[in-house]
Order: sequence, then C-alpha cells, then structure tokens
Amino acid sequence: EAQVTQNPRYLITVTGKKLTVTCSQNMNHEYMSWYRQDPGLGLRQIYYSMNVEVTDKGDVPEGYKVSRKEKRNFPLILESPSPNQTSLYFCASSPGTGGSEQYFGPGTRLTVT
Amino acid sequence: TQLLEQSPQFLSIQEGENLTVYCNSSSVFSSLQWYRQEPGEGPVLLVTVVTGGEVKKLKRLTFQFGDARKDSSLHITAAQPGDTGLYLCAGDLEGNNRLAFGKGNQVVVIP
Repeated sequence: EAQVTQNPRYLITVTGKKLTVTCSQNMNHEYMSWYRQDPGLGLRQIYYSMNVEVTDKGDVPEGYKVSRKEKRNFPLILESPSPNQTSLYFCASSPGTGGSEQYFGPGTRLTVT
Repeated sequence: TQLLEQSPQFLSIQEGENLTVYCNSSSVFSSLQWYRQEPGEGPVLLVTVVTGGEVKKLKRLTFQFGDARKDSSLHITAAQPGDTGLYLCAGDLEGNNRLAFGKGNQVVVIP
C-alpha cells in the first residue's frame, strides 16, 4: 500500500531533550516536506527536500533540523525542544514539484513540557 | 499575512442541506488543491484544479476554480455526516516549489 509513515504518533517529552520524528514513504517520491499544524495558524511548512541531500527552509524552520540521506526517509530533528514546539506535525511527500499534490502521513502529536 | 483566506472558518449544517465554502487570494496560482482532514488524521487530497473557470465534480462535491485563478469554491450538495471535516485549500504559486495552505473551513454536518 502506498503510504507515508511517521513515528512516533504521540510523544510527550521535556524541554531540552533531543528527539527525532521519523518519516518514510514507499512511493519513490522525490519531494518531501514537514509541516506543523496549530489552532488558528493552520498548516505551516518547516522544511522541505526536493531530492536526496537537497533540503531547504520553509516558513518556520527555527529550532528544527532535517536530513535526506535516502530518498524514502526524511527525519525531523529537534535538538533542544521547547514548549512552543508543542504541535501536531505532518510529513508529506509529492510525486512532482512542491506545488504538486501532497500525500500526508498520519501525524505526530508532540507535547513538550 | 495569509496568502489564502478561507471562509467561513466554521460551518454547522443539518444533514441534507447544501453548503458552499470559499478560498480567496489576491495571488494567481498555477493550480489549486482541496484536501479534507478528519480528526487525528493527515489531510487527504480531494481534487486539483488547473484551468481558470474549471469545474470538477466528486460525487456530491463540486469544485470551481475562478476565471482569474485567484480563488476557488467547494459546494456540497445534500451534505452527509461523513462530509464532516476540515477542508483545506492549497495553492501552487508558479516557480515557488511550495504549496500555500489556507487555514481551513471546519464543516460539521449534524445527523
């Protein structure tokens, strides 16, 4: 089944404790992206990648890192999480450019205390 | 400033009624997509409109792209409880390599 998977689905952590949210897609898509979704603010792009080893900042990249060493994986790294990073995070992939249809993962709900 | 404005933000209707929600911008888009998101899940693509004036139908859902490719509407005929969800529009700004998302139209259909 064609899909985007994310792990973990739920995470509660403490301020400053490094964490990684994994994202994997099995559709051979070149474009991958991370979003966060907050009430009243909608979906905002954090980082995106147009291909292996090619990443770029989205609208809200501060406090996040990404890497794209393989086509299928695009992990999101929070080196020192803070409470304002409490949010619902979505990974997405796209068969074309960033303006093409996006296939979203199921989401990761992160709480930083 | 939000590139895509969606209205109304929240809409509650009875089963069987019709509804229309809107997605507006002052920018021109190469294409515009509509997604539906249900609680606890990621957005799922419903349709992509590309040509100005284009109308696409998906069962009881009718999507229209404005002639100037700056706006779009989604009309639901005889709404069902299964239509409940957050409807997101997303525009492809030419050459930008990214989608701009609206904040969504939260639709609740009461049985």
